[in-house]
Amino acid sequence: QVRLVQSGAEVKKPGASVTVSCKASGYNFGSYYMHWVRQAPGQGLEWMAMINSGGGSTDNAQKFQGRVTVTRDASKNTVNLQLSSLRSEDTAVYYCTREAIGAFDLWGQGTLVIVSS
Amino acid sequence: QSVLTQPPSVSAAPGQKVTISCSGTSSNIGSNYVSWYQQLPGAAPKLLIYDNNKRPSGIPDRFSGSKSGTSATLGITGLQTGDEANYYCGTWDSSLTAGRVFGGGTKLTVL
Repeated sequence: QVRLVQSGAEVKKPGASVTVSCKASGYNFGSYYMHWVRQAPGQGLEWMAMINSGGGSTDNAQKFQGRVTVTRDASKNTVNLQLSSLRSEDTAVYYCTREAIGAFDLWGQGTLVIVSS
Repeated sequence: QSVLTQPPSVSAAPGQKVTISCSGTSSNIGSNYVSWYQQLPGAAPKLLIYDNNKRPSGIPDRFSGSKSGTSATLGITGLQTGDEANYYCGTWDSSLTAGRVFGGGTKLTVL
């Protein structure tokens, strides 16, 4: 079955870092770019970052510059998002998604990250 | 504020047709393909349309997409109560390195 399964919910304090993982199965993981998109409570989708198929190139939205790191492990079919210096505005559901056919065709179930003191 | 502009809400009766607009600029919609996503309550987004007007396998032909200039439109015919969801348009923005952008989303209510 082709799917993306993400790690569980996290509760973090302001200033901390969080790592969200996403495990792919059912397809050739190494052939696709992977992206992270987040959704704050009651809000729309916001693109955060991407990593290319080989893992050698990443890019991110300007607003996350210096705070976001995306990595992938081909041996584990896993892509990770690390977000540092967390603040309350980072409270959101974080989705990993696969880019194919010029769009995001496969999505993880989402991981809720709550930032609260 | 989202890069792409969508109406916050639309509504129609079951069996009717509805369209959702997505407005951008020459650096995003005007020069790149548009995709559309459906997000049912409490669920992850799902791809409905890619490359402006193509449907992935399994998406019924009640859903259609089009693009003209710097605007795109999602059409849904034969509305069903199960179509109640938030709909998002998305594309690249050529002014941003690898930047993908979304619309703010449109809540569809099937009355």
